[in-house]
Amino acid sequence: EAGVAQSPRYKIIEKRQSVAFWCNPISGHATLYWYQQILGQGPKLLIQFQNNGVVDDSQLPKDRFSAERLKGVDSTLKIQPAKLEDSAVYLCASSFGSAPNEKLFFGSGTQLSVL
Amino acid sequence: AQKVTQAQTEISVVEKEDVTLDCVYETRDTTYYLFWYKQPPSGELVFLIRRNSFDEQNEISGRYSWNFQKSTSSFNFTITASQVVDSAVYFCALSEGGGGFKTIFGAGTRLFVKA
Repeated sequence: EAGVAQSPRYKIIEKRQSVAFWCNPISGHATLYWYQQILGQGPKLLIQFQNNGVVDDSQLPKDRFSAERLKGVDSTLKIQPAKLEDSAVYLCASSFGSAPNEKLFFGSGTQLSVL
Repeated sequence: AQKVTQAQTEISVVEKEDVTLDCVYETRDTTYYLFWYKQPPSGELVFLIRRNSFDEQNEISGRYSWNFQKSTSSFNFTITASQVVDSAVYFCALSEGGGGFKTIFGAGTRLFVKA
């Protein structure tokens, strides 16, 4: 069974530039999550999708971050414009359902460096 | 509000030593779920175990064991006879059973196992 796919693996940009990350969840998983992991910290949820609808985006900085999951499968997270403090690993995860006891399956992440 | 505290930032042990990773959580819900995830150098978080708030039985899986104590709000993880391959960052996580759940993670404990 294929895991959660993410690309690119690494990205280096200058502040004020824009960047986009892509995620393809495990086939059949209805719920998709984007987490931000700053060095030395645990993952922080940015946005959660159930199929193509947003369940929780309370911690997404909406002035610069956007995400979509148009067909309820793969998803794109965009940052525009990027700030230095956006340097982090962006992790995508998926789960079969949306119950609180769901175990999450993670991709390898995209490491973003903003210079 | 939910919170997960992993007070140990880094632990270093010599191979074959036993090691315990501490996790303390806070929640107002009576129904909740606790998790442990492992993040090896490849970056992909891997699910290890899930526990619900009504099941305080300890669990053993090979060299891994988990001690859940509601009285102290702790869910500690012990690795017996550690191996170099156990070197990773370990995250404790909490998900509440109420509506609008999200899984929050502790800051993680980095474990170094030296040969």
